[in-house]
Amino acid sequence: DARVTQTPRHKVTEMGQEVTMRCQPILGHNTVFWYRQTMMQGLELLAYFRNRAPLDDSGMPKDRFSAEMPDATLATLKIQPSEPRDSAVYFCASGRRRASSYNEQFFGPGTRLTVL
Amino acid sequence: AQSVTQPDIHITVSEGASLELRCNYSYGATPYLFWYVQSPGQGLQLLLKYFSGDTLVQGIKGFEAEFKRSQSSFNLRKPSVHWSDAAEYFCAVSFGNEKLTFGTGTRLTIIP
Repeated sequence: DARVTQTPRHKVTEMGQEVTMRCQPILGHNTVFWYRQTMMQGLELLAYFRNRAPLDDSGMPKDRFSAEMPDATLATLKIQPSEPRDSAVYFCASGRRRASSYNEQFFGPGTRLTVL
Repeated sequence: AQSVTQPDIHITVSEGASLELRCNYSYGATPYLFWYVQSPGQGLQLLLKYFSGDTLVQGIKGFEAEFKRSQSSFNLRKPSVHWSDAAEYFCAVSFGNEKLTFGTGTRLTIIP
């Protein structure tokens, strides 16, 4: 049963520290999405990649957030330095873009980040 | 900008009763419409989707949704809920690209 995996599932850190969240997309999927979920803002798209290249990162604060795909099996989201307002659940989703069909997104279980 | 409204923050339903969750979207070109479910501590699971064709779509777990273009709505229904349906439900929309805009969610509580 293919699934998106995310690590760590929970992270507690202090303000100013670097945080790295990892995502392993479903094998064969060529699109990766990063979302953030908070009580105030709900689910927001931060960025997404196709074939490891960034397509849209307009939802991501550029000064402290960065997203990369070092290879096809790993996507990372980094926050440096972290701030309390970054506390949220971060979801990764993956999909397989095909010309004639919509790219359905399969979500991972999320990383719950708490910045003290 | 595209937007999605789920007017009900929290709904409580008795087990075995019928359910309808409301979703309205902002006007735009042909929408792609989705309903996702999120159980506590879990990611989102796709229940059903509408792209085109028959406006009544069937999904997993006995759910269905009806697209009504005139009302810009895509309400989710289930004829008889089970205790395991307790979760948070999100409506989402996309207008021809891959970017999903989510509603704020409706939390469903089931009482015995």
